[in-house]
Amino acid sequence: AQSVTQLGSHVSVSEGALVLLRCNYSSSVPPYLFWYVQYPNQGLQLLLKYTTGATLVKGINGFEAEFKKSETSFHLTKPSAHMSDAAEYFCAVSGADSSYKLIFGSGTRLLVRP
Amino acid sequence: KAGVTQTPRYLIKTRGQQVTLSCSPISGHRSVSWYQQTPGQGLQFLFEYFSETQRNKGNFPGRFSGRQFSNSRSEMNVSTLELGDSALYLCASSPDRGRYGYTFGSGTRLTVV
Repeated sequence: AQSVTQLGSHVSVSEGALVLLRCNYSSSVPPYLFWYVQYPNQGLQLLLKYTTGATLVKGINGFEAEFKKSETSFHLTKPSAHMSDAAEYFCAVSGADSSYKLIFGSGTRLLVRP
Repeated sequence: KAGVTQTPRYLIKTRGQQVTLSCSPISGHRSVSWYQQTPGQGLQFLFEYFSETQRNKGNFPGRFSGRQFSNSRSEMNVSTLELGDSALYLCASSPDRGRYGYTFGSGTRLTVV
């Protein structure tokens, strides 16, 4: 069975500081990995995805993530936080069956201090 | 290009009633999935429809059902509502059954009183 663990339900950074949101996964098959962002009263927006190929994935809004198979990790980073980055971030895994249903982590709320 | 449209955005229902939620996928997307989001359980997969057929179902009671029409629009139904069904219900569509990710709608916020 696949599962996702996001370390830290809340992460607080200062504006301009590095953002690091941690995600570890468990999967018996090569995983497809995703990061989604959710703003208040909104749905989920895809930030980036890893399916195959290059392990460093660049997404929207300056975010990137690196797939590390040996560490079963897919951490999300951004060099410099903006106030507009404050939101909840979800890591997800899929690929265990042909439906590619998403298994989500519990989410990390990012707070950006001025 | 229009995104995934969910209606209504907000619903208040009484325990024991039933409810139907609607989802219009992105044009050309044939796969529609539904997820439930609650503070306690997080995001959980409900079911997936592709070409009018349910392809996968999550671990939810039979009170939760859905269907997909020939134009790929989808509805989900919850009968005999319970207080614990209060949640944000998210619909997501994909052209390829989600292999490269899903596009989500803004959700329907259901409150059961």
